[in-house]
Amino acid sequence: AQSVTQPDIHITVSEGASLELRCNYSYGATPYLFWYVQSPGQGLQLLLKYFSGDTLVQGIKGFEAEFKRSQSSFNLRKPSVHWSDAAEYFCAVGGRSQGGKLIFGQGTELSVKP
Amino acid sequence: EPEVTQTPSHQVTQMGQEVILRCVPISNHLYFYWYRQILGQKVEFLVSFYNNEISEKSEIFDDQFSVERPDGSNFTLKIRSTKLEDSAMYFCASSHQSSGGYEQYFGPGTRLTVT
Repeated sequence: AQSVTQPDIHITVSEGASLELRCNYSYGATPYLFWYVQSPGQGLQLLLKYFSGDTLVQGIKGFEAEFKRSQSSFNLRKPSVHWSDAAEYFCAVGGRSQGGKLIFGQGTELSVKP
Repeated sequence: EPEVTQTPSHQVTQMGQEVILRCVPISNHLYFYWYRQILGQKVEFLVSFYNNEISEKSEIFDDQFSVERPDGSNFTLKIRSTKLEDSAMYFCASSHQSSGGYEQYFGPGTRLTVT
């Protein structure tokens, strides 16, 4: 079955510290992978995506993610977190075909302490 | 920058009433989607729509739900007879083909409260 697991429900990091949010997926074919961010009261904003090619992808706001096929993972990283990064982060898989649905993980809520 | 818009931002309705949630996708996008997020739960796919037809729908999308693109700009989700469990945030999304894949862009959502 297709699924996405984000093992960490809530993470707190200090401003300026590095961040890694974990994402593991189960998908029958080569996946298309996405990270979205949701600030309170806002919609889902696309941070970055992996379709093919270089397994390290760069996104907006200084985020990057690495696709590791052997580990079925697509972890999101940022070297130095800013207070404005506090939000909920969703990993998603799918979208390979036209009209293809996205399957989302549970989300990881990020808190940033001063 | 073009964006997906949704109206209303919050809708309160009584159980059994019909509601229509409206979305304006990004103008050059051809694929449209509805997702929902029940409070505290993950975002769930409801339906995708392309070329005036449903491409795919989930088990949630039963006969109480319908979608329509009534004109060249709007995309609507109708719930015929709302239930308490339909209370959720409903997100519209649209996509285009990019680099071999399809990036979905989401609207801000409509919070539906069924009382």
